[in-house]
Amino acid sequence: DVKVTQSSRYLVKRTGEKVFLECVQDMDHENMFWYRQDPGLGLRLIYFSYDVKMKEKGDIPEGYSVSREKKERFSLILESASTNQTSMYLCATRTSGRTYEQYFGPGTRLTVT
Amino acid sequence: ELKVEQNPLFLSMQEGKNYTIYCNYSTTSDRLYWYRQDPGKSLESLFVLLSNGAVKQEGRLMASLDTKARLSTLHITAAVHDLSATYFCAVRSGNTGKLIFGQGTTLQVKP
Repeated sequence: DVKVTQSSRYLVKRTGEKVFLECVQDMDHENMFWYRQDPGLGLRLIYFSYDVKMKEKGDIPEGYSVSREKKERFSLILESASTNQTSMYLCATRTSGRTYEQYFGPGTRLTVT
Repeated sequence: ELKVEQNPLFLSMQEGKNYTIYCNYSTTSDRLYWYRQDPGKSLESLFVLLSNGAVKQEGRLMASLDTKARLSTLHITAAVHDLSATYFCAVRSGNTGKLIFGQGTTLQVKP
């Protein structure tokens, strides 16, 4: 079974703080993704990575950056948290098989006050 | 730009009834996915549909894909309370691994 873990289930931060969200997978998958989920908007892709030290912007990268120093770990960074970044953040990893299926972590609910 | 729309966004139904959730997408894609999300939980993969006419079934759920109409359906047969959840469809964008998600359909099955 694919296992994707995220460092925190719930996080409360203050406006202006630097925030790190960590994601770890145990399946040696090359592709990893960060989404945010907001009611009525579904999931929106923030950044993805197809290899170590490689990254690409998704649909809503503004205010975020990422880091992938090791294959199994993909970090999302909020350089200066703002209240409009309050959301559920989901990490996913993707199989290299023909289905391109993505497997999701449990999510981190971030509140910025 | 690929857009994915689900219909309806909210569905309240009685146990034992049948219903269909629709997923329309705007440009050609070769992969369509259905996920389930329980409140406060992450997304669980239900179906991966890879070709026109593909049909997959698991218990009371059946998913189908019509690539010509750019439409997928998730049919619920004789709904039970345990099926209450939010269901997302997602479509692969181009040749990348990116998925574009629909807004989600929240299903509430009443006893």
